[in-house]
Amino acid sequence: KAGVTQTPRYLIKTRGQQVTLSCSPISGHRSVSWYQQTPGQGLQFLFEYFSETQRNKGNFPGRFSGRQFSNSRSEMNVSTLELGDSALYLCASSLDGQGQETQYFGPGTRLLVL
Amino acid sequence: GDSVTQMEGPVTLSEEAFLTINCTYTATGYPSLFWYVQYPGEGLQLLLKATKADDKGSNKGFEATYRKETTSFHLEKGSVQVSDSAVYFCALSGKGRRALTFGSGTRLQVQP
Repeated sequence: KAGVTQTPRYLIKTRGQQVTLSCSPISGHRSVSWYQQTPGQGLQFLFEYFSETQRNKGNFPGRFSGRQFSNSRSEMNVSTLELGDSALYLCASSLDGQGQETQYFGPGTRLLVL
Repeated sequence: GDSVTQMEGPVTLSEEAFLTINCTYTATGYPSLFWYVQYPGEGLQLLLKATKADDKGSNKGFEATYRKETTSFHLEKGSVQVSDSAVYFCALSGKGRRALTFGSGTRLQVQP
């Protein structure tokens, strides 16, 4: 079974631009979560989607948004990029998103904002 | 809120040494506990997990026991290899929550 895939793997943007990242979960998985990883703040939860609905949201500004499609693929969007948005963005999928379930992570998209 | 505290790294060991990485947590109820590993340039891979008190998770020679009384989930391996060099993250998922709360990560470097 194919793992979680994320595209693109690397991105370079400038301040003020917007960016869209994509995540394809493991086949059959309906829950997709997004995390931001930075050297200073570590791994932080952004949001979680299930059946095209956002079920859970972390403490990030409204510039960070996402959506999920009927095939469970998910995208996240960051508008008006800031230097501090430079990070590794990780997507994770699980069957139903229940607490004890394992979340399987993709390789991440590394975003550099100049 | 929920939190996870890991021992500071980096941890440098010689091959075949014994490894312990400490992890303690704060959470209400009975969270599920996880250890993830991240190799350079890659995402996170699940190493092991435990979903209730006194459970022992194990995989690839690594073990961790869910200790409710000490709110701990320490990672151990009896004999590390150079290939174990990576960053290890302890994480929890609170009861009814779907988001993982991570520790700060511990970098392990194993020297031949």
